[in-house]
Amino acid sequence: EVQVVESGGGLVQPGGSLRLSCAASGFTFSSHWMSWVRQAPGRGLEWVANIKQDGGETCYVDSVKGRFTISRDNAKNSLYLQMNSLRAEDTAVYYCGRNMIRAYSDAIDTWGQGTMVTVSS
Amino acid sequence: EIVLTQSPATLSLSPGERATLSCRASQSVNNYLAWYQQKPGQVPRLLIYDASNRATGIPARFSGSGSGTDFALTISSLEPEDFAVYYCQFRSSWPPALTFGGGTKVEIK
Repeated sequence: EVQVVESGGGLVQPGGSLRLSCAASGFTFSSHWMSWVRQAPGRGLEWVANIKQDGGETCYVDSVKGRFTISRDNAKNSLYLQMNSLRAEDTAVYYCGRNMIRAYSDAIDTWGQGTMVTVSS
Repeated sequence: EIVLTQSPATLSLSPGERATLSCRASQSVNNYLAWYQQKPGQVPRLLIYDASNRATGIPARFSGSGSGTDFALTISSLEPEDFAVYYCQFRSSWPPALTFGGGTKVEIK
């Protein structure tokens, strides 16, 4: 079964750091771009970052540039999101997603259950 | 920066009716557009990719159309399980950033 499972969420104070992990299984992890998408409580979906198959290219939404770092370890079938200098507006459920191969839209066809990140004092 | 605008924000319909959701891009996105469904408390599900291709396991009552700046998701006859929020998403050529629209909620009338 193709699946991705996030972990690492929790409560953190403003200015703090958190590292999210995503464990992939059931597919060839190293063949896919991967993404992080977040959803603040009661709000819509917001793409956060993505990373190329070999980790050599990354892309971020402007609001997290310089604070968040996406990375991957293909040997461990794992995706990560290092979040520094966290702000209240980063509070959201964070989803790990697998991007489709051979889709111009880079659509996300596999989603994890999400991990909640709460930034509050 | 390309912006995706979805309309209407809320669509009130009855089971069996046809639903047409709109997604308009501020500039051409070719056919680099996808649609997702999200039910309350659930994870988003991919419905359509590359504007008109149904994802695996998606019923035929869901169809996508359009290219350039104007796109539509049509549900030919609403089933009770189709009442949800729908998002469109596109990918820019370079850098390969993704952008989601604000969503359309399809509610029971």
